[in-house]
Amino acid sequence: DAKTTQPPSMDCAEGRAANLPCNHSTISGNEYVYWYRQIHSQGPQYIIHGLKNNETNEMASLIITEDRKSSTLILPHATLRDTAVYYCIAPGTSYGKLTFGQGTILTVHP
Amino acid sequence: DTGVSQNPRHKITKRGQNVTFRCDPISEHNRLYWYRQTLGQGPEFLTYFQNEAQLEKSRLLSDRFSAERPKGSFSTLEIQRTEQGDSAMYLCASSLRDSSSPLHFGNGTRLTVT
Repeated sequence: DAKTTQPPSMDCAEGRAANLPCNHSTISGNEYVYWYRQIHSQGPQYIIHGLKNNETNEMASLIITEDRKSSTLILPHATLRDTAVYYCIAPGTSYGKLTFGQGTILTVHP
Repeated sequence: DTGVSQNPRHKITKRGQNVTFRCDPISEHNRLYWYRQTLGQGPEFLTYFQNEAQLEKSRLLSDRFSAERPKGSFSTLEIQRTEQGDSAMYLCASSLRDSSSPLHFGNGTRLTVT
């Protein structure tokens, strides 16, 4: 699986967009990028995943650069309930054996 | 609720006792995973099943740990002769067989060994 690098923490004001970056410069051409988040005392929650094209669902948008070396998770209107640890993972052929790094602690302020 | 269900949510046991946790995956998911998470760390992979077959086990899964999925539906994780170092959150996840399908996690069983 590709190594991913995320900032350790970020802040965001409630109602504003939260843009969480992830670097995955060693990703190979057929490796997906997945985003999960974990709210305190709960299991990780799947958010979104993508391969090459930008993706959007009811929770977030995923923007993947053309060279696929980095991506950005966008929460369009952050709420206090979005405060969590966000993990960017590129498992590659280790499908299912996810390697959770330290992630980004996102704190949404009122 | 059609998500992954884990029981119990909390378990306190004395060192040396055996414990068993149960996981009920999303019904149409044929892959099931167990992870462990210690305080301040991300989850770590332990093992996974495709239907009833246990296909991979991590080195973290010592001989005191055993997981089963007898009918390809629910799974159990047993820890024998528990040690204080076994204190952690034990997470179960499930997914479809499709290689790009994401994992869906339960809310875990928190084990405290005293």
